[in-house]
Amino acid sequence: DIQMTQSPSTLSASVGDRVTITCRAGQSISTWLAWYQQKPGKAPKLLIYKASTLQIGVPSRFSGSGSGTEFTLTISSLQPDDFATYYCQQYNFYSPLTFGGGTKVEIK
Amino acid sequence: QVQLQESGPGLVKPSETLSLTCAVSGYSITSGYYWGWIRQPPGKGLEWIGSIYHDGPTYYNPSFESRATVSVDTSKNQFSLELNSVTAADTAVYHCARRTEDYYASGNYYRGGHFDYWGQGTLVTVSS
Repeated sequence: DIQMTQSPSTLSASVGDRVTITCRAGQSISTWLAWYQQKPGKAPKLLIYKASTLQIGVPSRFSGSGSGTEFTLTISSLQPDDFATYYCQQYNFYSPLTFGGGTKVEIK
Repeated sequence: QVQLQESGPGLVKPSETLSLTCAVSGYSITSGYYWGWIRQPPGKGLEWIGSIYHDGPTYYNPSFESRATVSVDTSKNQFSLELNSVTAADTAVYHCARRTEDYYASGNYYRGGHFDYWGQGTLVTVSS
């Protein structure tokens, strides 16, 4: 299995802050990485795919970068609606598809 | 607007079979895409269980391959999960989701494999 490691596991930030979350893959996954946002009791929401392509309807303050084994999700100016848990997922290797452990963004 | 909705028993006894159904609206399963199941144990992360293509081929996480069956009912536009021999470790929120296929756009290749639409999830507790 391709291990996906996210850091930090928890992040405390204030509205307006620039926030960066890192996801590292156990081996190269090219740019086949997606990012999701999940709020308590809700379904995950696709934010970014192919490492940096913004899903339709997602605000432009979200951006993704990286390739190979290291990837980042950046929120340029944190908004109240952005407090949530974020997951990365690799899809270079299908057996199995794997997710990171999650990063909870909480209010400072 | 594509919508997915899980349904099934919220409580299953140990050693029995967990059975869930995902009803899809706003999109015909026969039009394409993969349809899959992902679970999330309480307070933990996401774990892919398996996916089925609209015309039948199935793909499983090796961790579940011996216990899981994903099937599709095109007449009802829904797909299902059966997980047998459950234990307390199978207690989780189970989500159904649509998984993208490979495609080309503007001359660029896009590998499929991420999930673009999800159901809200249903909590299944394994307990006697």
